[in-house]
Formats: sequence, C-alpha cells, structure tokens
Amino acid sequence: DIQMTQSPSSLSASVGDRVTITCRTSQSIGSNLNWYQQKQGKAPNVLIYAASSLQSGVPSRFSGSGSGTDFTLTISSLQPEDFATYYCQQSNSAPYTFGQGTKLEIK
Amino acid sequence: QVLLQESGPGLVKPSETLSLTCSVSGGSISGYYWIWIRQPPGKGLDWIGYIYYTGSSGSTDYNPSLKSRVTISVDTSKKQVSLNLISVTAADTALYYCARGVSTGPYWYFDLWGRGTLVTVSS
Repeated sequence: DIQMTQSPSSLSASVGDRVTITCRTSQSIGSNLNWYQQKQGKAPNVLIYAASSLQSGVPSRFSGSGSGTDFTLTISSLQPEDFATYYCQQSNSAPYTFGQGTKLEIK
Repeated sequence: QVLLQESGPGLVKPSETLSLTCSVSGGSISGYYWIWIRQPPGKGLDWIGYIYYTGSSGSTDYNPSLKSRVTISVDTSKKQVSLNLISVTAADTALYYCARGVSTGPYWYFDLWGRGTLVTVSS
C-alpha cells in the first residue's frame, strides 16, 4: 500500500493568512493526487485533482502543486468558511489511500 | 443535479452482514466509478472499494484489507449501488459514504459524495 503522510496534523491560523499543507507519499505517484475538504458533520468535497487542477466551483484561493512524492495544498488568503479538515488522497493504485488529515482551526 | 443517498440499518450485530444501498438520482450510473468509503468516528477516511459500470458490465476492485468480506454491486433498474460486508466486528463501526468517481484523461477522483450513514456494530 502507498502510505500518505500529511503535515501538519493540525494548524491554527487567522483569516487572511496564507496556509500550506503538505502531503508526502511512500512511493512516486506522478500527479495522481487529490485534495478534499471536510467540514464538521459533512461529507468531503474535492478541491484539487491531478495534483494541481482546480475543481469547478472551488474558489481560486485554493491551489495545489507537486508531483512524484511531495505535494502541497495552499490557501492564499484564509476565509472563515475554510476552517475544516483537509485530506490528500492518492489515485495512482489500489488501495486508494488517504492522508490522516490536517485540521485547520481558527487562531 | 446528481444526488447520492445512502441507506441501511444503523445497527448490526457482530458476525452478521452489513448491507447498505446508495441510491443515485438525477444522473446515470453508466460510465462512472461508484465507490464506498468509510470513516470511523473521529478518524480518517478509508477506501473500501468500487464498481465501474459501463452499461453492460461492471468491474470491481476492493481494499485488500477487506477483500475477503466485501462485495459491491449495481442494480441498474433501481439506480442503486450496494455494499455487503460480512462477518462484521466492532472495528467496522463507521460512517459509510457512497461517492462517484470520475476520470479525466489518466486521472480520477471522487467528485460527488452522499451524506453518509452511520453503522454501529454492537450486540
């Protein structure tokens, strides 16, 4: 199985801050990396697919980068509705594993 | 607007079978991956497996950790995707999500999710 390591596990930030979350995979997966946002009590929602493609309807303050084993999700200017848990997920090979999540909290 | 709705028993006894249904409304089942994912209380997301239905046949893939116990199937007449998990234990207690997978070129991702249904395994 491909192991996913997200960092940090939790993060406190303020509205307007620039935030970066990283995801490292145990083997190279090209650009087969997706990012999801999960708000409390809700289902996850895709933000970024194929490492850097913005899903339709997702605000442009979200961006993704990376390839191989190292990936990042960046939120350029945090908004109140962005406080949530973020997961990376590899779509390279089964089982299609998720990172352990990064909980983004209000400072 | 495509909507996914999971349904099934909220309580299952140990050693019995967990059976859930995902009803798809507002769109086609053909040409998509239909995935089951679960989330134990307070924990992260685990991929269970998927069925990819072409209109005439379906292909499946399962998490090796569950492969001996899980079956995913499609009922096209009802537009439903089903999950069966046999011989459950307390470790199978989780919020179970149905999701749709879409592909774009060589990439694929989960673009639609149901709201999830909580299943507790307890006697």
